[in-house]
Amino acid sequence: DSGVTQTPKHLITATGQRVTLRCSPRSGDLSVYWYQQSLDQGLQFLIQYYNGEERAKGNILERFSAQQFPDLHSELNLSSLELGDSALYFCASSARGQAVSGANVLTFGAGSRLTVL
Amino acid sequence: DQQVKQNSPSLSVQEGRISILNCDYTNSMFDYFLWYKKYPAEGPTFLISISSIKDKNEDGRFTVFLNKSAKHLSLHIVPSQPGDSAVYFCAASKGGAGSYQLTFGKGTKLSVIP
Repeated sequence: DSGVTQTPKHLITATGQRVTLRCSPRSGDLSVYWYQQSLDQGLQFLIQYYNGEERAKGNILERFSAQQFPDLHSELNLSSLELGDSALYFCASSARGQAVSGANVLTFGAGSRLTVL
Repeated sequence: DQQVKQNSPSLSVQEGRISILNCDYTNSMFDYFLWYKKYPAEGPTFLISISSIKDKNEDGRFTVFLNKSAKHLSLHIVPSQPGDSAVYFCAASKGGAGSYQLTFGKGTKLSVIP
């Protein structure tokens, strides 16, 4: 158990629908990152939050949005779903979001597998 | 534009032998490189990292080598064990102020044959 909790583990929905994925970071971690892994693709960075504020955006579609709440859990909202949105969505957390010496090691959850039919 | 590339989708190695996984990058601003291991139905787990000012970092059976001039790094696993069978991701991060998200390669699936 990495300490990062993601729900739901699996989700099947139809095109055009909206879903919400939830992530609870490891205790004490202030940064939350969302990544998407599609078939045969690496982990694509979507968005990062640090202590409730958006810190960086990657290849996140306009149909997707996220937020981090005061208790530091985060939600990723995916709307107007398309077949191509089927993927594994990972949440990761780290203790910090800015420059400190050493590698910024991200701890990942087990992922949420989204299937859009 | 893939900034971190793992050109071998898969690798098979006999138990007890050395496994060498390779990674190339294009962005000279990367200051840390990390390797993650991923088993099916689990999230990636951190394995080992190296700073861009070093050329080698070792942790037990795992050693990462960095050739900055060639923008290339490799992960050596010696000796390889069946439990090492997993997908290995190379990742990199940029220094300076701002976010510290990791940029990942597509992964290499390692199979260690007993």
